Amino acid sequence: NAGVTQTPKFQVLKTGQSMTLQCAQDMNHEYMSWYRQDPGMGLRLIHYSVGAGITDQGEVPNGYNVSRSTTEDFPLRLLSAAPSQTSVYFCASSYSSFVVLGTEAFFGQGTRLTVV
Amino acid sequence: ELKVEQNPLFLSMQEGKNYTIYCNYSTTSDRLYWYRQDPGKSLESLFVLLSNGAVKQEGRLMASLDTKARLSTLHITAAVHDLSATYFCAVDMVEAPSNDYKLSFGAGTTVTVRA
Repeated sequence: NAGVTQTPKFQVLKTGQSMTLQCAQDMNHEYMSWYRQDPGMGLRLIHYSVGAGITDQGEVPNGYNVSRSTTEDFPLRLLSAAPSQTSVYFCASSYSSFVVLGTEAFFGQGTRLTVV
Repeated sequence: ELKVEQNPLFLSMQEGKNYTIYCNYSTTSDRLYWYRQDPGKSLESLFVLLSNGAVKQEGRLMASLDTKARLSTLHITAAVHDLSATYFCAVDMVEAPSNDYKLSFGAGTTVTVRA
């Protein structure tokens, strides 16, 4: 089991560029999510998905898109990078759903993104 | 909207002493999770608390949950340097009427243990 695999680990973008952060899990988890981590603000939910074909916005969705075409993959797209998107991004997955509750989330290793 | 608040946000501990981190949350939930993050690393699960009065212990860490007070505590006994890290609590909920499951985190407590 690889768990949650996130790529790349580091990325530098110029303002206005677009890119996709990849996230894949091999645990057959229904719930996947993207968080950004900024100093003093903890983890803020960007987008989440409760299953293939279903996505929804979290707390800070502006400037990001997601899709969930398969159970395994949940990519995060930055449409037009801005310096305010400089952050550390974490992908997480969990077996929890509205049916199954109380299971821990597993996190990827994080992507450190700098927008200049 | 589910809000999760931790305090303190920063905690300087002296080796050998006991400390407590508090986690308050705003919605009715019987499930609370504690995670640890080392600098530059990912988050790893410490405890899963699934009912009122739940208590879990691992080494020098003990977590408890009071769902009536919407409060969880992470107690550190006789702090040692290896416990220096950032600790996060998280709460999940199922939103009605969409039945969407969502996991929300506190801001984290950065712990530094000094000799």
